[in-house]
Parts: sequence; C-alpha cells; structure tokens
Amino acid sequence: QKEVEQDPGPLSVPEGAIVSLNCTYSNSAFQYFMWYRQYSRKGPELLMYTYSSGNKEDGRFTAQVDKSSKYISLFIRDSQPSDSATYLCAMSVGGTPLVFGKGTRLSVIA
Amino acid sequence: GAVVSQHPSWVICKSGTSVKIECRSLDFQATTMFWYRQFPKQSLMLMATSNEGSKATYEQGVEKDKFLINHASLTLSTLTVTSAHPEDSSFYICRPSAGDGMNTEAFFGQGTRLTVV
Repeated sequence: QKEVEQDPGPLSVPEGAIVSLNCTYSNSAFQYFMWYRQYSRKGPELLMYTYSSGNKEDGRFTAQVDKSSKYISLFIRDSQPSDSATYLCAMSVGGTPLVFGKGTRLSVIA
Repeated sequence: GAVVSQHPSWVICKSGTSVKIECRSLDFQATTMFWYRQFPKQSLMLMATSNEGSKATYEQGVEKDKFLINHASLTLSTLTVTSAHPEDSSFYICRPSAGDGMNTEAFFGQGTRLTVV
C-alpha cells in the first residue's frame, strides 16, 4: 500500500458545482496536511494546510482532516473554470519531507 | 508565504549538452533544498535533498553524476543536468526549506520545463 493514495481523475464538473477531492493515507504519524493547486507547466501553489485533525476554511475552499479514518478532503464551493487544475494532497510528520499524492485533474466546464 | 524564484522557466537543449537550473529563496535562508521531477500527468518525484554546504542525498534510481546539485549558499541552489538526453525531458521543481515548520516548508519554485532534442 502506498503511503498516500489519491484518485488521479480526471474529474469534470459544471461551473458552480461543489467539488470534493480526497486522499487517504497509511502513516498515522502524519500531522501536517496540505493541498496544492498546480496549473499546467507551473509549480505547485499551496492552497491550504492543516495541522492535525479538523476543518479549515478559506473563501470557497474547505479542508477537512479525519485522522481516525486517515482521510483528508478538499471541498471547492461554487467552482469556476479558473479552478481547473491538478490538485495535489501532501502530508508530513514534522513538516518535512512532504509525501505527495498523485494529484487529481479537475476540469470545471463553463 | 515564502518567496521562491526558479530560473529558467523553460529551456530547450541539444542532446549531450548540460543545463543549469537555479533556485533562490528570496526572503529566508534555505538550509535544505529539495529537488523534484515531474513527468506529464505524474506526481512530483523527489530526486534529491541537499543541505547547505554538504553533499546532496539522492533518491534511489537518481544518478548523482548526472544530476549535479550545488547548495553553496543559504539562498541559492543549482541543479545541473549533465549530458542531457531526451529521456531527461521533464519538469524540474525546487522547494527550499528553512526547517522551521510550515513557514517555509510548503513553497515551491515555479518549475523549469526541460526539453532535450
């Protein structure tokens, strides 16, 4: 079993939809959980990070961590075509090194 | 967030030549530099980790003589792809770290797209 599992998609949704992106992991020692957005031919851009369990909200984005289930989610409300990108989850024990999921390709159709 | 500058953003070179990629941390001192490679539609793959003033540690399967990493200062690290071949064509991304937790752990360079022809 890989340390971090993420469905690569592609995921296609209509504009305005709520998007749910998920990762599961096997290492219970992970404490830092991150979501990155990567546009084509660009470096990953940190969207949100969460320490330990719980929810975190930033605008249209909500990150959830369920350590008991070893499951993290990123929700995007009112999705826009500009949200079309690859979303990578990442996690770490003490901040470094980061372990990445494979990324989910999202397309938001106008 | 932390500011990271990576250059060039793209480069095309001939087989057999060498290419140098620079990564700078502009507002913090990077004691550690991580270099990643990303093939199309694939996730980031860690190539090597370097600490300032020390030799880099390479991941399994990454040739240290082919991918030369220099981390001589706390704000600059370079990755040189030597004797490049078409199979080295990829997206290379750096991630500097000051080892101070999430203040600087999570920020990447813009990436360099290397095409070897």
